[in-house]
Amino acid sequence: DVKVTQSSRYLVKRTGEKVFLECVQDMDHENMFWYRQDPGLGLRLIYFSYDVKMKEKGDIPEGYSVSREKKERFSLILESASTNQTSMYLCASSYRGRGNEQFFGPGTRLTVL
Amino acid sequence: GQQLNQSPQSMFIQEGEDVSMNCTSSSIFNTWLWYKQDPGEGPVLLIALYKAGELTSNGRLTAQFGITRKDSFLNISASIPSDVGIYFCAGQGGTYKYIFGTGTRLKVLA
Repeated sequence: DVKVTQSSRYLVKRTGEKVFLECVQDMDHENMFWYRQDPGLGLRLIYFSYDVKMKEKGDIPEGYSVSREKKERFSLILESASTNQTSMYLCASSYRGRGNEQFFGPGTRLTVL
Repeated sequence: GQQLNQSPQSMFIQEGEDVSMNCTSSSIFNTWLWYKQDPGEGPVLLIALYKAGELTSNGRLTAQFGITRKDSFLNISASIPSDVGIYFCAGQGGTYKYIFGTGTRLKVLA
């Protein structure tokens, strides 16, 4: 079974703090994704990576950066957390070719005070 | 960003009833996925569809890839209380990106 894990299930941070969210997958997937999920807005893509050290902006990259130094690990960084970044953050991974279904981690509920 | 239209938005059903929901798009897709999400958890992949007209089952769940390639359907037979949750569709047109549906919230009355 595909396993995508996220470093924290719940996180509370203060405005202005630097926040790291970590995601690890164990299926040797090329692609990894970070989404945020908010009521009424659905799933929105923040960043995507299709290979080590490669990244592409998604629909809402502002205020976020990412790092992919190893194939299995994809990190989301909030350089200076703000209250409007309070959300559920979901990591996903997939193969690159046909059959590229995305498998999600359990999510990190981030609250910025 | 773009979202797919899912219908219905929410539904209450009696345990044992069958459930139908659908997802529509203005764009043609090559792949349709269906997920279930429990409160506070990440979405779990239920069914993947790759070809127009394809019908695929996973236990009591059956999903179909619409022949126009602009829609997909999910049916749940003989619903049980643990079917409660939010069901999402996702479509992919040819890039890495999936477009996700707005979700159907299912509540099952015992």
